[in-house]
Amino acid sequence: DVKVTQSSRYLVKRTGEKVFLECVQDMDHENMFWYRQDPGLGLRLIYFSYDVKMKEKGDIPEGYSVSREKKERFSLILESASTNQTSMYLCASSPRQGHTEAFFGQGTRLTVV
Amino acid sequence: QQPVQSPQAVILREGEDAVINCSSSKALYSVHWYRQKHGEAPVFLMILLKGGEQKGHEKISASFNEKKQQSSLYLTASQLSYSGTYFCGTETGNQFYFGTGTSLTVIP
Repeated sequence: DVKVTQSSRYLVKRTGEKVFLECVQDMDHENMFWYRQDPGLGLRLIYFSYDVKMKEKGDIPEGYSVSREKKERFSLILESASTNQTSMYLCASSPRQGHTEAFFGQGTRLTVV
Repeated sequence: QQPVQSPQAVILREGEDAVINCSSSKALYSVHWYRQKHGEAPVFLMILLKGGEQKGHEKISASFNEKKQQSSLYLTASQLSYSGTYFCGTETGNQFYFGTGTSLTVIP
């Protein structure tokens, strides 16, 4: 079974803190994604990586950065957390070969106070 | 680039049918459908690769109109287990964009 694991289910951070969200997949997938999920807005793509050290911006990259030093790990970084970044964050992975399903992690609910 | 889904929310009685629509402003290579139950990760339902092709999964099927850049998910004779939020996902190049979501609640 493909497994996508996010390091935390729940996080509470203070405004201005630097926050790291970690995601690891065990199926040797080339593509990895970070989404943000908010009520009524669905899943919005923050960043995408199709290979080690490669990244592309999604629809809402402002306030975020990413790191992919190893194929299995994709990190989302909030440089200076703000209250409007309180949300559910979902990581996903898929093979480079197109037209296949994406596999999701369980999500990290981040609250910024 | 996020596809738009309609309706935003729907409530059904067991046994009723529902249709969820997904529309994109970009050319589509494929459309994926996922269901997310509360507190869980989204789970893949099906993928459609060609215009007009329909696929089925139990009593859930979908169509994909490539020319109109639209897809519809059909749920027939709904069951309580169908409750959840449904997302369409569209492939544009290497990127997956997911829709705004449709909350579906099936009541006895």
